[in-house]
Amino acid sequence: EAGVAQSPRYKIIEKRQSVAFWCNPISGHATLYWYQQILGQGPKLLIQFQNNGVVDDSQLPKDRFSAERLKGVDSTLKIQPAKLEDSAVYLCASSSRQGAAGVSPLHFGNGTRLTVT
Amino acid sequence: RKEVEQDPGPFNVPEGATVAFNCTYSNSASQSFFWYRQDCRKEPKLLMSVYSSGNEDGRFTAQLNRASQYISLLIRDSKLSDSATYLCVVIWLNTGFQKLVFGTGTRLLVSP
Repeated sequence: EAGVAQSPRYKIIEKRQSVAFWCNPISGHATLYWYQQILGQGPKLLIQFQNNGVVDDSQLPKDRFSAERLKGVDSTLKIQPAKLEDSAVYLCASSSRQGAAGVSPLHFGNGTRLTVT
Repeated sequence: RKEVEQDPGPFNVPEGATVAFNCTYSNSASQSFFWYRQDCRKEPKLLMSVYSSGNEDGRFTAQLNRASQYISLLIRDSKLSDSATYLCVVIWLNTGFQKLVFGTGTRLLVSP
């Protein structure tokens, strides 16, 4: 089974520039998550999709971050404009089940390490 | 109070030692719990689920204490390769969907 694919692995940009990250979840996984992990901290949820619908984006800084999951498969996360404090690893994860039947574990991609200078 | 709290450590232990970490959670309606392991500059990987009756996987034992609202991870006979950050995940129902929250992680360093 192929894992969660993310690209790029690394990105360096200047503040106020734009950047986009891409994620391809495990085939058949309905739930997709984007997490931000700042060095020394645990992953913080930015947005959660169930198929192509958003179920939780309460911690997404919507003035600069946006995400979409067209067709309920691939997803992109965009930051525009970037700030210094956005320097972090952006992790995409997927899971096969969420609902009354319970939650299956998350499978993470390798992440994108973003440095904003 | 944070939703999920962990002692960040680091826990420095010699090879062969037994070490335990706790993770406390604030939502008494939390339903599911997991432990993840994260190596330096890598993504988190599932270590084990935590079941109500407690569960064991080799040298690793996970337990849940609902009354005191914490989960624990016990590692016996520590190996150098156990050096990593251990993240707990707590899940509860939130307006129709399950919300997953990670702790900040506990760093373990196993020395020769």
